[in-house]
Amino acid sequence: TAGITQAPTSQILAAGRSMTLRCTQDMRHNAMYWYRQDLGLGLRLIHYSNTAGTTGKGEVPDGYSVSRANTDDFPLTLASAVPSQTSVYFCASSDAVNTEAFFGQGTRLTVV
Amino acid sequence: RKEVEQDPGPFNVPEGATVAFNCTYSNSASQSFFWYRQDCRKEPKLLMSVYSSGNEDGRFTAQLNRASQYISLLIRDSKLSDSATYLCVVFTDSNYQLIWGAGTKLIIKP
Repeated sequence: TAGITQAPTSQILAAGRSMTLRCTQDMRHNAMYWYRQDLGLGLRLIHYSNTAGTTGKGEVPDGYSVSRANTDDFPLTLASAVPSQTSVYFCASSDAVNTEAFFGQGTRLTVV
Repeated sequence: RKEVEQDPGPFNVPEGATVAFNCTYSNSASQSFFWYRQDCRKEPKLLMSVYSSGNEDGRFTAQLNRASQYISLLIRDSKLSDSATYLCVVFTDSNYQLIWGAGTKLIIKP
């Protein structure tokens, strides 16, 4: 079973360039999330979507945008990358906002 | 003060020992609580939900103390494979989001 899939698994990106991190789930979950994880800070929510067609800002949304055109896909875009966006990015989904969240394998992004 | 706080550790524990760690939360209206496990460079995975009455799953026991606003995780007869980072997660209706602790690192030594 695929579950939730992220691509790419890792990327080195030049500062100022744009990039889209892809996330797809096949569990028909309503809610999807993007987190970044940095050493000592834990998971921080970037953006979320409680259902297809809606999105919301999390704790650290600046510099990122998302869309939720359908249930399965929730891409995260960095319009103009900066070195502080170097991090591990996790996409997650859940049936409801207060139920178990399932995570993708993560994308390691380095902005140089 | 962070909404969810955990002792970062690391907790260095000999194999076979019992270890426990807590997680405190600041919002008294918090409703749902979870423990996740994260292995090095991997994604978090649900270990167990935490119910008001407490719950047990094999060697793992989770407790909720609403009066003091903390949840705990107890691991008995620890195995080398229990080495991981344990993340505390709290859901509150007021902000309608999961709030994650930074994690407690556990190292089980032979």
